[in-house]
Amino acid sequence: QKEVEQNSGPLSVPEGAIASLNCTYSDRGSQSFFWYRQYSGKSPELIMSIYSNGDKEDGRFTAQLNKASQYVSLLIRDSQPSDSATYLCAVKRDNYGQNFVFGPGTRLSVLP
Amino acid sequence: DAMVIQNPRYQVTQFGKPVTLSCSQTLNHNVMYWYQQKSSQAPKLLFHYYDKDFNNEADTPDNFQSRRPNTSFCFLDIRSPGLGDAAMYLCATSRGDIGLTDTQYFGPGTRLTVL
Repeated sequence: QKEVEQNSGPLSVPEGAIASLNCTYSDRGSQSFFWYRQYSGKSPELIMSIYSNGDKEDGRFTAQLNKASQYVSLLIRDSQPSDSATYLCAVKRDNYGQNFVFGPGTRLSVLP
Repeated sequence: DAMVIQNPRYQVTQFGKPVTLSCSQTLNHNVMYWYQQKSSQAPKLLFHYYDKDFNNEADTPDNFQSRRPNTSFCFLDIRSPGLGDAAMYLCATSRGDIGLTDTQYFGPGTRLTVL
């Protein structure tokens, strides 16, 4: 089992819909969780971080964390074509101050 | 603005010709990372420095080396690039503490082409 897993996609949603991206992790000691957006040919850009169970909202983005289920998700409301990108889930294992583990990413396509 | 800078943004080299990629940061972070990312794949960690301590990933080929002469700069040296080394090379930094809020920040990347 890989440490961080995501559906590879592509996930296609119509413009204005809610896009739901999922991530599971295997290390129960993980404490910090991050979502990065990566446009084709560009570097990853941090869009959300979450540390506590529940929801965290930032504009059109909502991150959800359920540590009991080892599950973190990202919801994008009112999806726009400009949201079309690969979304990378990353997990920081707190016992290792330098150790961030990335999932394979989910490619999102928002159709006009 | 504090940031992570990579130079050059695009690098073309010949098969077997050594190449050096550069990363600098103004965040004063303790940790600097080098990732290799190929098309449609997740970033693959090559190695990282915590301050001056070098940490190599077990599966990083010997062809890849790194230097960190000071807090701000880190270099990736590819001694004899092969066609399979063509990729995006990403530099990232983090504070390196065990606090919840420690986060990785990426530079813009260097796209390496090997002819």
